[in-house]
Amino acid sequence: GQQLNQSPQSMFIQEGEDVSMNCTSSSIFNTWLWYKQEPGEGPVLLIALYKAGELTSNGRLTAQFGITRKDSFLNISASIPSDVGIYFCAGLSGSGGSNYKLTFGKGTLLTVNP
Amino acid sequence: NAGVMQNPRHLVRRRGQEARLRCSPMKGHSHVYWYRQLPEEGLKFMVYLQKENIIDESGMPKERFSAEFPKEGPSILRIQQVVRGDSAAYFCASSPPGAPATQYFGPGTRLTVL
Repeated sequence: GQQLNQSPQSMFIQEGEDVSMNCTSSSIFNTWLWYKQEPGEGPVLLIALYKAGELTSNGRLTAQFGITRKDSFLNISASIPSDVGIYFCAGLSGSGGSNYKLTFGKGTLLTVNP
Repeated sequence: NAGVMQNPRHLVRRRGQEARLRCSPMKGHSHVYWYRQLPEEGLKFMVYLQKENIIDESGMPKERFSAEFPKEGPSILRIQQVVRGDSAAYFCASSPPGAPATQYFGPGTRLTVL
Protein backbone atom coordinates (compact mmCIF):
# COMPACT_ATOMS: atom_id res chain seq x y z
CA GLY A 1 0.00 0.00 0.00
CA GLN A 2 0.91 3.65 -0.12
CA GLN A 3 3.32 4.83 2.57
CA LEU A 4 4.51 8.24 3.62
CA ASN A 5 7.82 8.58 5.45
CA GLN A 6 8.26 11.64 7.60
CA SER A 7 11.50 12.91 9.06
CA PRO A 8 12.64 13.68 11.58
CA GLN A 9 10.45 11.76 14.03
CA SER A 10 10.95 14.44 16.67
CA MET A 11 12.64 17.80 17.08
CA PHE A 12 13.62 19.85 20.12
CA ILE A 13 14.34 23.47 19.32
CA GLN A 14 14.69 26.83 21.01
CA GLU A 15 12.09 29.53 20.58
CA GLY A 16 12.97 31.73 17.62
CA GLU A 17 14.68 28.99 15.60
CA ASP A 18 13.54 27.90 12.17
CA VAL A 19 12.30 24.35 11.62
CA SER A 20 12.26 22.13 8.57
CA MET A 21 10.60 18.74 8.19
CA ASN A 22 9.93 16.62 5.16
CA CYS A 23 7.89 13.80 3.81
CA THR A 24 8.57 11.27 1.04
CA SER A 25 6.32 8.75 -0.60
CA SER A 26 6.62 5.58 -2.61
CA SER A 27 3.64 6.73 -4.70
CA ILE A 28 2.64 9.85 -6.56
CA PHE A 29 0.00 12.04 -4.96
CA ASN A 30 -1.85 14.79 -6.77
CA THR A 31 -2.44 16.75 -3.60
CA TRP A 32 -0.26 17.07 -0.51
CA LEU A 33 -1.44 18.47 2.78
CA TRP A 34 0.17 19.38 6.08
CA TYR A 35 -1.72 19.07 9.36
CA LYS A 36 -0.96 19.93 12.97
CA GLN A 37 -2.36 17.89 15.85
CA GLU A 38 -2.32 18.97 19.48
CA PRO A 39 -2.88 16.57 22.40
CA GLY A 40 -6.46 15.38 22.67
CA GLU A 41 -7.55 17.07 19.47
CA GLY A 42 -8.07 16.24 15.84
CA PRO A 43 -5.69 17.34 13.06
CA VAL A 44 -6.01 20.88 11.79
CA LEU A 45 -5.21 21.66 8.16
CA LEU A 46 -2.26 24.05 7.79
CA ILE A 47 -1.42 24.06 4.08
CA ALA A 48 -2.69 22.29 0.96
CA LEU A 49 -0.52 21.87 -2.16
CA TYR A 50 -2.15 21.10 -5.50
CA LYS A 51 0.58 21.43 -8.16
CA ALA A 52 4.02 19.88 -8.52
CA GLY A 53 6.64 22.48 -7.65
CA GLU A 54 4.10 24.68 -5.88
CA LEU A 55 5.40 26.75 -2.97
CA THR A 56 2.74 27.99 -0.57
CA SER A 57 2.93 30.09 2.59
CA ASN A 58 0.59 30.51 5.52
CA GLY A 59 2.02 33.07 7.93
CA ARG A 60 5.27 31.67 9.30
CA LEU A 61 4.68 28.34 7.54
CA THR A 62 5.94 27.52 4.07
CA ALA A 63 5.43 24.24 2.26
CA GLN A 64 6.52 22.97 -1.15
CA PHE A 65 5.20 20.18 -3.34
CA GLY A 66 8.10 18.28 -4.92
CA ILE A 67 8.51 18.16 -8.69
CA THR A 68 8.24 14.36 -8.72
CA ARG A 69 5.01 14.59 -6.68
CA LYS A 70 6.54 12.11 -4.26
CA ASP A 71 7.80 14.51 -1.62
CA SER A 72 7.07 17.69 0.26
CA PHE A 73 8.64 19.80 2.96
CA LEU A 74 7.28 22.14 5.62
CA ASN A 75 9.25 25.03 7.10
CA ILE A 76 8.31 27.01 10.20
CA SER A 77 10.18 30.26 10.71
CA ALA A 78 10.83 31.99 14.04
CA SER A 79 9.20 29.26 16.12
CA ILE A 80 7.10 30.12 19.16
CA PRO A 81 5.95 27.92 22.06
CA SER A 82 2.47 27.44 20.59
CA ASP A 83 4.02 25.70 17.58
CA VAL A 84 4.36 22.63 19.80
CA GLY A 85 2.49 19.65 18.45
CA ILE A 86 2.67 16.79 15.97
CA TYR A 87 2.93 17.73 12.31
CA PHE A 88 1.57 15.28 9.78
CA CYS A 89 1.95 15.20 6.05
CA ALA A 90 -0.82 13.58 4.07
CA GLY A 91 -1.37 12.65 0.45
CA LEU A 92 -4.76 12.64 -1.20
CA SER A 93 -5.77 9.75 -3.44
CA GLY A 94 -8.87 7.82 -4.33
CA SER A 95 -10.53 5.79 -7.05
CA GLY A 96 -12.87 6.24 -9.94
CA GLY A 97 -11.34 9.60 -10.80
CA SER A 98 -12.23 11.05 -7.42
CA ASN A 99 -9.57 11.86 -4.80
CA TYR A 100 -10.79 11.73 -1.23
CA LYS A 101 -8.63 9.32 0.78
CA LEU A 102 -5.95 10.84 2.99
CA THR A 103 -2.82 8.76 3.63
CA PHE A 104 -0.92 10.12 6.61
CA GLY A 105 2.72 9.94 7.61
CA LYS A 106 3.61 9.01 11.18
CA GLY A 107 4.23 12.60 12.17
CA THR A 108 7.01 14.83 13.45
CA LEU A 109 6.76 15.78 17.12
CA LEU A 110 7.92 19.36 17.62
CA THR A 111 8.92 20.68 21.04
CA VAL A 112 9.82 24.34 21.44
CA ASN A 113 11.75 25.46 24.50
CA PRO A 114 10.93 29.03 25.56
CA ASN B 1 -20.66 27.76 12.60
CA ALA B 2 -19.97 24.70 14.71
CA GLY B 3 -17.18 22.40 13.62
CA VAL B 4 -17.31 18.64 13.30
CA MET B 5 -18.71 17.16 16.49
CA GLN B 6 -17.96 13.73 17.83
CA ASN B 7 -19.33 11.97 20.85
CA PRO B 8 -18.53 10.54 23.18
CA ARG B 9 -15.02 11.97 23.54
CA HIS B 10 -13.97 9.00 25.64
CA LEU B 11 -15.52 5.54 25.63
CA VAL B 12 -14.57 2.56 27.77
CA ARG B 13 -15.82 -0.90 26.86
CA ARG B 14 -15.11 -4.41 28.05
CA ARG B 15 -14.12 -7.07 25.59
CA GLY B 16 -17.15 -8.41 23.76
CA GLN B 17 -19.28 -5.28 24.16
CA GLU B 18 -20.39 -2.98 21.36
CA ALA B 19 -19.03 0.51 20.75
CA ARG B 20 -21.01 3.20 18.94
CA LEU B 21 -19.22 6.37 17.87
CA ARG B 22 -21.15 9.34 16.55
CA CYS B 23 -20.13 12.11 14.20
CA SER B 24 -22.08 15.20 13.21
CA PRO B 25 -20.49 16.89 10.18
CA MET B 26 -20.13 20.61 9.73
CA LYS B 27 -23.23 22.39 8.51
CA GLY B 28 -23.51 22.07 4.74
CA HIS B 29 -21.12 19.11 4.55
CA SER B 30 -22.57 15.93 3.11
CA HIS B 31 -19.38 13.85 2.96
CA VAL B 32 -18.04 12.04 6.02
CA TYR B 33 -14.80 10.14 6.50
CA TRP B 34 -13.68 7.97 9.42
CA TYR B 35 -10.02 7.47 10.36
CA ARG B 36 -8.34 5.45 13.11
CA GLN B 37 -5.20 6.50 14.94
CA LEU B 38 -3.14 4.08 16.99
CA PRO B 39 -0.66 5.46 19.57
CA GLU B 40 2.31 7.23 17.94
CA GLU B 41 0.94 6.56 14.49
CA GLY B 42 -0.64 8.64 11.77
CA LEU B 43 -4.32 8.42 10.98
CA LYS B 44 -5.47 5.55 8.77
CA PHE B 45 -8.45 5.81 6.44
CA MET B 46 -11.36 3.54 7.23
CA VAL B 47 -14.46 4.58 5.30
CA TYR B 48 -15.96 7.35 3.18
CA LEU B 49 -19.70 7.96 3.24
CA GLN B 50 -22.17 10.28 1.66
CA LYS B 51 -25.76 10.56 2.82
CA GLU B 52 -27.22 7.01 2.83
CA ASN B 53 -24.31 5.66 0.77
CA ILE B 54 -21.01 3.98 1.55
CA ILE B 55 -18.61 5.14 -1.14
CA ASP B 56 -15.39 3.41 -0.06
CA GLU B 57 -14.96 1.09 2.92
CA SER B 58 -11.63 -0.36 1.84
CA GLY B 59 -9.98 0.61 5.14
CA MET B 60 -12.55 -1.04 7.36
CA PRO B 61 -11.86 -4.44 8.91
CA LYS B 62 -14.11 -6.98 7.21
CA GLU B 63 -15.67 -8.19 10.43
CA ARG B 64 -17.25 -6.45 13.43
CA PHE B 65 -16.97 -2.92 11.96
CA SER B 66 -19.76 -1.08 10.18
CA ALA B 67 -20.56 2.52 9.36
CA GLU B 68 -23.62 4.43 8.28
CA PHE B 69 -24.62 7.98 7.46
CA PRO B 70 -28.41 8.11 7.45
CA LYS B 71 -30.54 10.73 5.76
CA GLU B 72 -31.25 12.26 9.14
CA GLY B 73 -28.90 12.28 12.11
CA PRO B 74 -25.21 11.73 12.65
CA SER B 75 -22.88 9.25 11.06
CA ILE B 76 -22.31 6.17 13.23
CA LEU B 77 -19.24 3.95 13.40
CA ARG B 78 -20.18 0.71 15.09
CA ILE B 79 -17.77 -1.86 16.45
CA GLN B 80 -19.27 -5.12 17.61
CA GLN B 81 -17.64 -7.51 20.08
CA VAL B 82 -14.74 -5.20 20.76
CA VAL B 83 -11.27 -6.57 21.41
CA ARG B 84 -8.25 -4.91 23.04
CA GLY B 85 -6.72 -4.21 19.65
CA ASP B 86 -9.65 -1.90 18.85
CA SER B 87 -8.36 0.59 21.45
CA ALA B 88 -7.48 3.71 19.49
CA ALA B 89 -8.60 7.23 18.70
CA TYR B 90 -11.28 7.38 16.03
CA PHE B 91 -11.58 10.59 14.06
CA CYS B 92 -14.35 11.74 11.83
CA ALA B 93 -13.87 14.36 9.13
CA SER B 94 -16.33 16.08 6.84
CA SER B 95 -16.04 18.01 3.63
CA PRO B 96 -18.38 19.95 1.39
CA PRO B 97 -19.44 18.40 -1.92
CA GLY B 98 -16.72 18.67 -4.58
CA ALA B 99 -13.94 19.58 -2.15
CA PRO B 100 -12.58 16.39 -0.59
CA ALA B 101 -9.16 17.96 0.00
CA THR B 102 -10.69 20.27 2.59
CA GLN B 103 -11.50 17.71 5.24
CA TYR B 104 -12.22 19.19 8.64
CA PHE B 105 -11.59 16.86 11.54
CA GLY B 106 -13.51 16.42 14.75
CA PRO B 107 -11.83 16.10 18.16
CA GLY B 108 -12.01 12.30 18.06
CA THR B 109 -13.36 9.55 20.27
CA ARG B 110 -10.82 7.72 22.36
CA LEU B 111 -11.90 4.11 22.74
CA THR B 112 -10.39 1.99 25.48
CA VAL B 113 -11.17 -1.71 25.61
CA LEU B 114 -10.53 -3.34 28.97
